[in-house]
Parts: sequence; structure tokens; C-alpha cells
Amino acid sequence: ELKVEQNPLFLSMQEGKNYTIYCNYSTTSDRLYWYRQDPGKSLESLFVLLSNGAVKQEGRLMASLDTKARLSTLHITAAVHDLSATYFCAVGGMDSNYQLIWGAGTKLIIKP
Amino acid sequence: DGGITQSPKYLFRKEGQNVTLSCEQNLNHDAMYWYRQDPGQGLRLIYYSQIVNDFQKGDIAEGYSVSREKKESFPLTVTSAQKNPTAFYLCASSIVQIQPQHFGDGTRLSIL
Repeated sequence: ELKVEQNPLFLSMQEGKNYTIYCNYSTTSDRLYWYRQDPGKSLESLFVLLSNGAVKQEGRLMASLDTKARLSTLHITAAVHDLSATYFCAVGGMDSNYQLIWGAGTKLIIKP
Repeated sequence: DGGITQSPKYLFRKEGQNVTLSCEQNLNHDAMYWYRQDPGQGLRLIYYSQIVNDFQKGDIAEGYSVSREKKESFPLTVTSAQKNPTAFYLCASSIVQIQPQHFGDGTRLSIL
């Protein structure tokens, strides 16, 4: 059974600092997604990672995937207040067709 | 603009009552999904549909029902059998399995 674990679940940091959110999953997967959710709002797709070693960057966010370690990271560089949100990773199993298994989310608060 | 429309935004259910949440998309996506989100948790899949007139149960389908009579529409009924329906319900769609899911703005369901 595919399980997805994110850590940390809560992160408070100062503007200008760097930090990394981790997403571990338990069985082989062929796709991993990162989403952002603002309080009370819907989810916005950030990155799609499909192969080992994949790296995607958008502004101050960079996501990477290591399929051998079953690990994805979301790195935040020089954080700004606007990046405050909850970040989710979601993993598709090899035998699950359209189903995704979601992490519990990392609530990120960036203080000015 | 293309997107996913969920209605209503807020819904209250009386004990013993069935309620239906609407989800309409004009993205021409084949696949549609219903998720439940509880506070501080990740998303859990209720039902998904890959094609019109076909749908599959997700991890927490008990107490819920769906239909997919049109490509654009995927309504979710929360039945009286669902004893703990209070949650944030999100509808999503995707063009194919590997592409990221696009989400509606959600419906917040509470018990009166």
C-alpha cells in the first residue's frame, strides 16, 4: 500500500531564509506532484515530477525527485511572506491508474 | 476562462438528509475526482471517474454516491449514511492520468 509522509508538518520561518520540505513515499511511483493551498482556498498545481533526477524551478521554489530514495524535496530560497501557504505532495502509484495518495501537508508561515 | 465550478460554496445538512454538491468543468477533461479534506489533513479520494457513465470508488466512498451522465458534470451526493460529513469537499479534473489535477474552489459542508 502506497503511503506518503511529509515533514515537517508545520514550519515558521523568517523572510530571507532558506528551507526544505520533504516528501517520502513507500512504494514505487511514476509521478509526483506538488500543490499549494492558501487558507480556505482551493489547490494550485506547482510542479509535476515524472523521472528520477527531475528538477523543476519556479521563482523561489525548486522541486526535485529521487525515485531510488523515494524522496522529493521542495526547496524555498530567500523566503518571502507571499509564500506562506500549505504545501502538499501527492504521489501516483504504479497500479493505481488515476488515483493519487496525498501527504498531510506542510503549513508554512513566513514572518516579515 | 476554462475552469471548474463547485456549488454551493457553503452547505448545511440536517440529520437524515441527503445533499448534493455540484461540480461542473469546461476544460474538456475526461477524468474527474471528488476529495474530502478534514482540518490539518491531506486529501482523501471519495470517487473518481475516467469517462462518462463510469466511476470507481476511492478510499472513503461509504456514505457517498456520484453520477457521471455528462462529461462536464460530476455531482456528489452525501447521504444520510455518512455520519460525519462535516468537511471541505474538493472536485478536480485532469485531461489524462499523468497531467496534474485542476481543482475547484470547494464546498464547505456542515451539520445543522
